Amino acid sequence: SAVISQKPSRDICQRGTSLTIQCQVDSQVTMMFWYRQQPGQSLTLIATANQGSEATYESGFVIDKFPISRPNLTFSTLTVSNMSPEDSSIYLCSAPGGDTEAFFGQGTRLTVV
Amino acid sequence: AQTVTQSQPEMSVQEAETVTLSCTYDTSESDYYLFWYKQPPSRQMILVIRQEAYKQQNATENRFSVNFQKAAKSFSLKISDSQLGDAAMYFCAYRSVRAWEYGNKLVFGAGTILRVKS
Repeated sequence: SAVISQKPSRDICQRGTSLTIQCQVDSQVTMMFWYRQQPGQSLTLIATANQGSEATYESGFVIDKFPISRPNLTFSTLTVSNMSPEDSSIYLCSAPGGDTEAFFGQGTRLTVV
Repeated sequence: AQTVTQSQPEMSVQEAETVTLSCTYDTSESDYYLFWYKQPPSRQMILVIRQEAYKQQNATENRFSVNFQKAAKSFSLKISDSQLGDAAMYFCAYRSVRAWEYGNKLVFGAGTILRVKS
């Protein structure tokens, strides 16, 4: 199994600012995933991050708003840029573990005021 | 595209009793993976159980078992002897085996809040 450390666990930010969320995996993984979970709702995939290449974004998400870095096989960051109250959500990173399952970070609860 | 539907926004169960959470999905693939994840208030996503579509036998993990009906595209979760610690949001999720096309990304249902009464 993989252990994923995600930080910060929560933050309150002013609108117009940016927040960078970090995820560290205790083993090397080819892909990492970033999800958004809006209040009371399900998880929506933002993007898939592969090491050494640009992230692949899902429909409705753009790189300028959610830039992602993947400098090595154990680490990734997601930045939420130019935040507005609509960006208030839980953000989770994930990595595959073995052939089938996925492991998740603890989540970052973001509140934009 | 694959979709996952959980039609029960909220369920309640008495401690020590059994509850079943429903999940249906839509896919044109014949092989895939299905999962139930639990998300307690701590926000940590915890894998409860998984099922490979090519396996006819229903998966079980201690008090948790699934009823996998491939033809009906149904994947329900049964929790026996419910405990207070089972209270959480439960998500049904689908993953394609076609990693070269879809990566390992999961498609989640909307979730079911499970409340356990003492």
